Amino acid sequence: EPEVTQTPSHQVTQMGQEVILRCVPISNHLYFYWYRQILGQKVEFLVSFYNNEISEKSEIFDDQFSVERPDGSNFTLKIRSTKLEDSAMYFCASTYDPYSYEQYFGPGTRLTVT
Amino acid sequence: DQQVKQNSPSLSVQEGRISILNCDYTNSMFDYFLWYKKYPAEGPTFLISISSIKDKNEDGRFTVFLNKSAKHLSLHIVPSQPGDSAVYFCAASKKPSNTGKLIFGQGTTLQVKP
Repeated sequence: EPEVTQTPSHQVTQMGQEVILRCVPISNHLYFYWYRQILGQKVEFLVSFYNNEISEKSEIFDDQFSVERPDGSNFTLKIRSTKLEDSAMYFCASTYDPYSYEQYFGPGTRLTVT
Repeated sequence: DQQVKQNSPSLSVQEGRISILNCDYTNSMFDYFLWYKKYPAEGPTFLISISSIKDKNEDGRFTVFLNKSAKHLSLHIVPSQPGDSAVYFCAASKKPSNTGKLIFGQGTTLQVKP
């Protein structure tokens, strides 16, 4: 069964450093998402991406964040200058039809900022 | 901004009995509701959904009920099995949105005891 994959599974970085989280969505999906879950809190929407552009972003997704689909298979989330409060589990998701609402999630990348 | 709330952080049920997980929402613009299940070290997995034009949707052991006037939905699992032990997230999506953005509750940890 096709699945969303994410790498790395755990990333430790120092405050102020740039990190890139990588995702490979399901191959025939067209809509891509990043969510995050701070420990003990709810899963929060960050950004949605379609047709090589951001279609919606949350207040969390400020200028420090960017997304890219560089090669037609990978979908990346970049945090330019990490802060302690960026420590969270980051989930990538994809779907072929946003109106179906059923999104397929990857296993997540745990980002730890020290 | 708690638009979707799951007020019970945990629930413990005996195998074979019914599990009832509850979710409340505040935004009347939500038009689609979903339940996701999450095991440790994995991403959320879609379980069942319901459109706001319906009040019930059933899929095998899982049934979701929607009470729009009370802005409340519930997930019933009958009979509960130990493999159902996981964190269950309620999520909602609202018009107008063709981006598929999901808004999640905090999650309820279900433990099914053998």
